[in-house]
Amino acid sequence: AQSVTQLGSHVSVSEGALVLLRCNYSSSVPPYLFWYVQYPNQGLQLLLKYTSAATLVKGINGFEAEFKKSETSFHLTKPSAHMSDAAEYFCAVSDQGYSSASKIIFGSGTRLSIRP
Amino acid sequence: GAVVSQHPSWVICKSGTSVKIECRSLDFQATTMFWYRQFPKQSLMLMATSNEGSKATYEQGVEKDKFLINHASLTLSTLTVTSAHPEDSSFYICSARDGQIYGYTFGSGTRLTVV
Repeated sequence: AQSVTQLGSHVSVSEGALVLLRCNYSSSVPPYLFWYVQYPNQGLQLLLKYTSAATLVKGINGFEAEFKKSETSFHLTKPSAHMSDAAEYFCAVSDQGYSSASKIIFGSGTRLSIRP
Repeated sequence: GAVVSQHPSWVICKSGTSVKIECRSLDFQATTMFWYRQFPKQSLMLMATSNEGSKATYEQGVEKDKFLINHASLTLSTLTVTSAHPEDSSFYICSARDGQIYGYTFGSGTRLTVV
């Protein structure tokens, strides 16, 4: 069974600083990996996804993530934080892609705060 | 792009009544839909997976008689919380999968409060 672990339930950075949110996964087969952002009382918005193509994935709002098989990691980064980036971020994994048997399992989430 | 519409966005109901939440894929056909539950400051927990025209598959620990799921068409799935109690108060989110094009798309969620 697949799983994801997000290290750090809360990350706080200064505006303009590097954002690094950590995610490690466990999967018995090559995974699909996702990062989603959630603002209060809203659904999930896809930031980016890895689907076995390029290991460095660029997403929306300046975010990117790198799939590292040797480290079973898929950390999310952004070079310069904006106040609008403050939100909850979820890493997720699917171990069967988009097949009929696949489903997404979410990590516990990381709340990102931005200091002025 | 893919859009999933979820209604209502919030609902308040009395204890003992039933509440229905709808999830619609607006511009694609969703062969599979998922229902998640999210408690405050926590992650999304998968409740069940529904495939069009067949019975839903519930995750361990989820009461199928309390959380009735119907997926009658390729664009609509409904979650009915039966005989709701205050402990059922939560944020419910649906997701639809279309296969290879859009992958997984999430609705905007429903805040259920049972009083």
